[in-house]
Formats: sequence, structure tokens, C-alpha cells
Amino acid sequence: AQSVSQHNHHVILSEAASLELGCNYSYGGTVNLFWYVQYPGQHLQLLLKYFSGDPLVKGIKGFEAEFIKSKFSFNLRKPSVQWSDTAEYFCAVTGGTDSWGKLQFGAGTQVVVTP
Amino acid sequence: DAGVTQSPTHLIKTRGQHVTLRCSPISGHKSVSWYQQVLGQGPQFIFQYYEKEERGRGNFPDRFSARQFPNYSSELNVNALLLGDSALYLCASSPAGAASYEQYFGPGTRLTVT
Repeated sequence: AQSVSQHNHHVILSEAASLELGCNYSYGGTVNLFWYVQYPGQHLQLLLKYFSGDPLVKGIKGFEAEFIKSKFSFNLRKPSVQWSDTAEYFCAVTGGTDSWGKLQFGAGTQVVVTP
Repeated sequence: DAGVTQSPTHLIKTRGQHVTLRCSPISGHKSVSWYQQVLGQGPQFIFQYYEKEERGRGNFPDRFSARQFPNYSSELNVNALLLGDSALYLCASSPAGAASYEQYFGPGTRLTVT
């Protein structure tokens, strides 16, 4: 069965620290990969996406992610976090055996950035 | 431009009742998808509609149904509500239904079943 797993459920770090969130998927075939963020009290917003091409993709607010096909991974990074990055982060995948837009999400990682 | 809108924002229902949730996609978007997000979990896919036809259905019981109207807005209906149906219901729209399109999410409807 196709699945998405996120390595950490909760991450606490200080401002200016570096952030890396892991995401692995088990899909055969071509996939499209996404990272969504949900700030407190706000709706899901797209941080970045990978469809094809350069495996290192840059998103909004200084986030980037690297697609490593051989490892079935799409890890999210930010070199220096700010207090405003406190949010829940979701990795999501479409594709594989499903050609339609069914997004499969990971369980999410709650990130808390302390001043 | 207006984003995806959903109504109502919050809803409290009793077990056994039914509920209708509504979604208006971004103008020009023809695909609408519904997701259920239980506290502490990632959103789970319920339905996708494209051009008024069901294009995908997640692992949800037949108590859940949906439809898409000619103006591309959509309704999600849940019958015989159970306590476990309490969740945030998210609607997402995209220009077309294919997997290669980004989906834009609305603020959700918070359903509480008592």
C-alpha cells in the first residue's frame, strides 16, 4: 500500500537553529511531492513542491527540500528558523498508481521554535 | 482573488444526525477534493470531484457522500453521525484533477459530534 511517513512528531528548537524534517514515501512509479504548513489558527498552505527536474527545490519563507529518489525521501530544511516558523508541517504525495490528485499526507510534525 | 471558502466554520451535531458541508473553489478551478483531519493526524482523503464526476474515493463508509455542482462548488454529506466523525473537514481545489496539479486548501469546517 502507498504510504507517507514523517520521522518526528514533535520538534522543539531555538531561534536561529537549523531545521530538518524527514519524509519517506512508499510509492511505485512517478510521484509528485509536497510540503504543506499549518500555522496556528490558519489553513494549510503550500511551502514547496516537486514535480520533476532539479531535485533541490526552494519554497517560500526560506524553506527548501531535497528529493532523493533512491531513498524515497523528500526532506525539508531551513538553515535558520524564526519564532514565526512555529507550526505543523505535513509531507504529502500524489501519483504512483493513482493518476488523479489524491493527496496522501504524513502524520505531521509539530515544530515549536522558542525565542 | 478569493481563496477556497467553506461553510459553516464550526458545527455541533448530535450522534445519528446528518450534516452538509459546503465548499466553493477558487474561481476557474474545476476540481474539488475533501479531506478529514482528526486532531493529531494528517488529513485523510475522502473524495475528489472533477467536472462534476467522482474521480476518487478514500476509505470511508457509505455514510459519506459528496457531489459537485455545475458552478464547481461542492457539498459533503455525512449521515448517521458518529462520535468518531468529529474532525476538521478540509476542502481543496485545483485547476484540474490530475496528480500534477497543486491543491489549495480552505480553512475547514470544524465538526463536533456529541
